[in-house]
Amino acid sequence: EAQVTQNPRYLITVTGKKLTVTCSQNMNHEYMSWYRQDPGLGLRQIYYSMNVEVTDKGDVPEGYKVSRKEKRNFPLILESPSPNQTSLYFCASKLGRSPENTIYFGEGSWLTVV
Amino acid sequence: SQQGEEDPQALSIQEGENATMNCSYKTSINNLQWYRQNSGRGLVHLILIRSNEREKHSGRLRVTLDTSKKSSSLLITASRAADTASYFCATVAFESGTYKYIFGTGTRLKVLA
Repeated sequence: EAQVTQNPRYLITVTGKKLTVTCSQNMNHEYMSWYRQDPGLGLRQIYYSMNVEVTDKGDVPEGYKVSRKEKRNFPLILESPSPNQTSLYFCASKLGRSPENTIYFGEGSWLTVV
Repeated sequence: SQQGEEDPQALSIQEGENATMNCSYKTSINNLQWYRQNSGRGLVHLILIRSNEREKHSGRLRVTLDTSKKSSSLLITASRAADTASYFCATVAFESGTYKYIFGTGTRLKVLA
């Protein structure tokens, strides 16, 4: 089954404690991305990657890092989480650069930073 | 950058009725897509309409696009309780060397059985 898998689904952590949210897709997609979803703000893009070893900042990259060492994986790293990073995070992928590619989303990761 | 703004923010209807939600945006687009999100879950693609198209159908879904007004509408006919979800429009436009997908804030639809 074609899917985007992210873990953990739910996490409560403390300010400053580094964490990584993993993301993996099994569709051989070139493009992967991370979004955060906050009430009243919709989905905002954090980082995206066009292919292996190619990453770019989205609209809200501050406080986050990503890496793309393999095509299927795109982890999101919070080096020193802060309470304003409490949010619902989505990993997503699409086939390539075409504007008509459908975006496939993971099930989301609820992150709470206390 | 452009932003898709959905209207209404929330909509409650009876099963069997039609549901209409609207999306407005600010700049030129390549296409506009609609996605659905069940509570707390990932978004799922519903339908895409290109900038040179005016109307598109998929099952019980009908999407229109008016590029002169920079607006789109999603109509769900004969709604069912299972249609209860949030619906998002995403505008796709070329910006800074790549195609950017900008999601709106969504319309929460509740279909009462």
